[in-house]
Amino acid sequence: QKEVEQNSGPLSVPEGAIASLNCTYSDRVSQSFFWYRQYSGKSPELIMSIYSNGDKEDGRFTAQLNKASQYVSLLIRDSQPSDSATYLCAVSPRAANDYKLSFGAGTTVTVRA
Amino acid sequence: NAGVMQNPRHLVRRRGQEARLRCSPMKGHSHVYWYRQLPEEGLKFMVYLQKENIIDESGMPKERFSAEFPKEGPSILRIQQVVRGDSAAYFCASSPPGGGAFFGQGTRLTVV
Repeated sequence: QKEVEQNSGPLSVPEGAIASLNCTYSDRVSQSFFWYRQYSGKSPELIMSIYSNGDKEDGRFTAQLNKASQYVSLLIRDSQPSDSATYLCAVSPRAANDYKLSFGAGTTVTVRA
Repeated sequence: NAGVMQNPRHLVRRRGQEARLRCSPMKGHSHVYWYRQLPEEGLKFMVYLQKENIIDESGMPKERFSAEFPKEGPSILRIQQVVRGDSAAYFCASSPPGGGAFFGQGTRLTVV
Protein backbone atom coordinates (compact mmCIF):
# COMPACT_ATOMS: atom_id res chain seq x y z
CA GLN A 1 0.00 0.00 0.00
CA LYS A 2 1.33 3.43 -0.95
CA GLU A 3 1.89 5.89 1.88
CA VAL A 4 -0.18 8.59 0.21
CA GLU A 5 -2.77 7.94 -2.48
CA GLN A 6 -4.70 10.46 -4.52
CA ASN A 7 -7.74 10.01 -6.74
CA SER A 8 -6.67 9.28 -10.24
CA GLY A 9 -7.00 11.99 -12.81
CA PRO A 10 -7.08 13.83 -14.90
CA LEU A 11 -9.98 15.82 -13.54
CA SER A 12 -11.75 18.15 -15.95
CA VAL A 13 -14.17 20.77 -14.63
CA PRO A 14 -15.94 23.70 -16.27
CA GLU A 15 -14.98 27.22 -15.28
CA GLY A 16 -16.87 28.32 -12.19
CA ALA A 17 -17.48 24.77 -10.93
CA ILE A 18 -16.09 23.09 -7.82
CA ALA A 19 -13.09 20.81 -8.21
CA SER A 20 -12.83 18.11 -5.54
CA LEU A 21 -9.54 16.36 -4.84
CA ASN A 22 -9.12 13.43 -2.47
CA CYS A 23 -6.19 11.95 -0.63
CA THR A 24 -5.80 9.02 1.75
CA TYR A 25 -2.77 8.11 3.81
CA SER A 26 -1.66 4.92 5.47
CA ASP A 27 0.34 6.05 8.51
CA ARG A 28 -1.92 6.74 11.49
CA VAL A 29 0.73 8.83 13.26
CA SER A 30 0.58 11.46 10.51
CA GLN A 31 0.01 14.86 12.02
CA SER A 32 0.54 17.44 9.28
CA PHE A 33 -1.12 17.61 5.90
CA PHE A 34 -0.40 19.84 2.94
CA TRP A 35 -1.63 20.57 -0.55
CA TYR A 36 0.75 21.74 -3.23
CA ARG A 37 0.05 23.05 -6.72
CA GLN A 38 2.52 22.32 -9.50
CA TYR A 39 2.28 23.92 -12.92
CA SER A 40 3.86 22.03 -15.79
CA GLY A 41 7.62 22.48 -15.76
CA LYS A 42 7.58 24.36 -12.47
CA SER A 43 8.29 23.51 -8.86
CA PRO A 44 5.56 22.65 -6.32
CA GLU A 45 4.00 25.57 -4.48
CA LEU A 46 2.46 25.21 -1.02
CA ILE A 47 -1.17 26.36 -1.10
CA MET A 48 -2.76 24.85 2.02
CA SER A 49 -1.77 23.25 5.30
CA ILE A 50 -4.08 21.60 7.84
CA TYR A 51 -3.31 19.98 11.17
CA SER A 52 -6.68 19.47 12.94
CA ASN A 53 -9.83 17.62 12.00
CA GLY A 54 -12.42 19.71 10.19
CA ASP A 55 -12.35 22.34 7.49
CA LYS A 56 -9.88 25.10 6.77
CA GLU A 57 -10.73 27.77 4.24
CA ASP A 58 -8.36 30.11 2.41
CA GLY A 59 -9.93 32.12 -0.38
CA ARG A 60 -11.37 29.74 -2.94
CA PHE A 61 -9.60 26.75 -1.38
CA THR A 62 -10.99 24.56 1.41
CA ALA A 63 -9.03 21.71 2.95
CA GLN A 64 -10.87 19.03 4.91
CA LEU A 65 -9.22 16.59 7.29
CA ASN A 66 -10.61 13.44 8.91
CA LYS A 67 -7.90 11.66 10.86
CA ALA A 68 -10.18 8.79 11.88
CA SER A 69 -10.75 7.96 8.22
CA GLN A 70 -7.16 8.92 7.28
CA TYR A 71 -8.56 11.19 4.62
CA VAL A 72 -7.79 14.72 3.49
CA SER A 73 -9.41 16.62 0.64
CA LEU A 74 -9.13 19.89 -1.22
CA LEU A 75 -12.03 21.78 -2.73
CA ILE A 76 -11.47 24.53 -5.27
CA ARG A 77 -14.53 26.74 -5.60
CA ASP A 78 -15.29 28.92 -8.62
CA SER A 79 -12.56 27.13 -10.60
CA GLN A 80 -10.58 29.31 -12.98
CA PRO A 81 -8.45 28.33 -15.99
CA SER A 82 -5.43 29.46 -13.94
CA ASP A 83 -6.21 26.63 -11.51
CA SER A 84 -5.26 24.10 -14.20
CA ALA A 85 -2.30 22.30 -12.66
CA THR A 86 -1.29 19.13 -10.84
CA TYR A 87 -2.25 19.08 -7.17
CA LEU A 88 -0.08 17.12 -4.79
CA CYS A 89 -1.11 15.89 -1.37
CA ALA A 90 1.69 15.63 1.21
CA VAL A 91 1.71 14.08 4.66
CA SER A 92 4.19 14.32 7.51
CA PRO A 93 4.36 12.48 10.84
CA ARG A 94 5.98 15.44 12.62
CA ALA A 95 7.06 13.13 15.41
CA ALA A 96 10.05 13.90 17.64
CA ASN A 97 12.66 13.54 14.94
CA ASP A 98 10.65 12.34 11.96
CA TYR A 99 9.59 15.09 9.62
CA LYS A 100 9.67 13.13 6.37
CA LEU A 101 7.22 14.67 3.93
CA SER A 102 5.64 12.02 1.71
CA PHE A 103 3.80 12.95 -1.48
CA GLY A 104 1.03 11.38 -3.47
CA ALA A 105 1.37 10.97 -7.22
CA GLY A 106 -0.77 14.04 -7.85
CA THR A 107 -4.07 14.75 -9.57
CA THR A 108 -4.05 16.83 -12.73
CA VAL A 109 -6.88 19.33 -12.95
CA THR A 110 -7.99 21.01 -16.16
CA VAL A 111 -10.47 23.87 -15.95
CA ARG A 112 -12.40 24.32 -19.20
CA ALA A 113 -13.18 27.91 -20.17
CA ASN B 1 13.83 36.97 2.28
CA ALA B 2 15.11 34.97 -0.66
CA GLY B 3 13.44 31.66 -1.37
CA VAL B 4 15.11 28.30 -1.66
CA MET B 5 17.95 28.66 -4.14
CA GLN B 6 19.04 25.77 -6.30
CA ASN B 7 21.80 25.73 -8.84
CA PRO B 8 22.41 25.03 -11.53
CA ARG B 9 18.92 25.18 -13.05
CA HIS B 10 19.98 22.90 -15.90
CA LEU B 11 22.85 20.44 -15.88
CA VAL B 12 24.02 18.23 -18.72
CA ARG B 13 26.42 15.41 -17.97
CA ARG B 14 27.83 12.57 -20.04
CA ARG B 15 27.41 9.03 -18.79
CA GLY B 16 30.03 8.26 -16.18
CA GLN B 17 30.55 11.85 -15.05
CA GLU B 18 29.65 13.28 -11.66
CA ALA B 19 26.73 15.64 -11.03
CA ARG B 20 26.70 18.07 -8.10
CA LEU B 21 23.46 19.81 -7.25
CA ARG B 22 23.38 22.64 -4.74
CA CYS B 23 20.63 23.95 -2.51
CA SER B 24 20.59 26.91 -0.15
CA PRO B 25 17.56 26.85 2.17
CA MET B 26 15.45 29.83 3.10
CA LYS B 27 16.83 32.00 5.87
CA GLY B 28 15.96 30.53 9.23
CA HIS B 29 15.30 27.03 7.88
CA SER B 30 17.61 24.37 9.22
CA HIS B 31 16.15 21.33 7.46
CA VAL B 32 16.42 20.36 3.81
CA TYR B 33 14.69 17.73 1.70
CA TRP B 34 15.73 16.39 -1.69
CA TYR B 35 13.17 14.92 -4.09
CA ARG B 36 13.42 13.48 -7.58
CA GLN B 37 10.70 13.81 -10.17
CA LEU B 38 10.57 11.95 -13.47
CA PRO B 39 8.43 13.36 -16.31
CA GLU B 40 4.69 12.82 -15.68
CA GLU B 41 5.43 11.25 -12.29
CA GLY B 42 5.14 12.31 -8.67
CA LEU B 43 7.80 13.48 -6.26
CA LYS B 44 9.97 10.70 -4.87
CA PHE B 45 11.54 11.36 -1.49
CA MET B 46 15.29 10.89 -1.45
CA VAL B 47 16.81 12.31 1.72
CA TYR B 48 16.07 14.62 4.65
CA LEU B 49 18.90 16.49 6.35
CA GLN B 50 19.60 19.05 8.96
CA LYS B 51 22.96 20.75 9.30
CA GLU B 52 25.73 18.15 9.68
CA ASN B 53 23.21 15.35 10.11
CA ILE B 54 21.30 13.01 7.80
CA ILE B 55 17.92 12.35 9.40
CA ASP B 56 16.36 10.04 6.83
CA GLU B 57 17.98 8.70 3.67
CA SER B 58 15.56 5.88 3.05
CA GLY B 59 14.83 7.12 -0.47
CA MET B 60 18.41 7.36 -1.62
CA PRO B 61 19.76 4.70 -3.97
CA LYS B 62 22.42 2.71 -2.12
CA GLU B 63 25.09 3.33 -4.71
CA ARG B 64 26.38 6.44 -6.47
CA PHE B 65 24.16 8.91 -4.58
CA SER B 66 25.15 10.93 -1.53
CA ALA B 67 23.97 14.07 0.20
CA GLU B 68 25.38 16.45 2.76
CA PHE B 69 24.40 19.63 4.52
CA PRO B 70 27.53 21.11 6.09
CA LYS B 71 27.61 23.60 8.91
CA GLU B 72 28.54 26.30 6.44
CA GLY B 73 27.37 26.46 2.84
CA PRO B 74 24.64 24.83 0.79
CA SER B 75 23.33 21.31 0.84
CA ILE B 76 24.88 19.17 -1.90
CA LEU B 77 23.34 16.20 -3.69
CA ARG B 78 26.08 14.28 -5.45
CA ILE B 79 25.56 11.65 -8.12
CA GLN B 80 28.63 9.74 -9.19
CA GLN B 81 29.03 7.93 -12.52
CA VAL B 82 25.70 9.15 -13.84
CA VAL B 83 23.58 6.96 -16.09
CA ARG B 84 20.72 7.88 -18.43
CA GLY B 85 18.18 6.78 -15.84
CA ASP B 86 19.37 9.57 -13.54
CA SER B 87 17.90 12.16 -15.91
CA ALA B 88 15.16 13.89 -13.94
CA ALA B 89 14.23 17.07 -12.13
CA TYR B 90 15.76 17.25 -8.66
CA PHE B 91 13.96 19.47 -6.20
CA CYS B 92 15.21 20.76 -2.91
CA ALA B 93 12.85 22.03 -0.23
CA SER B 94 13.47 23.63 3.12
CA SER B 95 11.24 23.47 6.14
CA PRO B 96 10.42 26.03 8.81
CA PRO B 97 9.61 25.02 12.40
CA GLY B 98 5.89 25.50 11.81
CA GLY B 99 5.49 22.92 9.09
CA GLY B 100 5.32 22.55 5.36
CA ALA B 101 8.17 22.76 2.95
CA PHE B 102 9.10 25.38 0.40
CA PHE B 103 10.61 24.28 -2.85
CA GLY B 104 13.39 25.66 -4.98
CA GLN B 105 13.10 25.92 -8.75
CA GLY B 106 14.75 22.57 -9.24
CA THR B 107 17.73 21.32 -11.22
CA ARG B 108 16.97 19.55 -14.48
CA LEU B 109 19.64 16.92 -14.99
CA THR B 110 20.10 15.47 -18.44
CA VAL B 111 22.51 12.61 -18.95
CA VAL B 112 23.68 12.15 -22.54
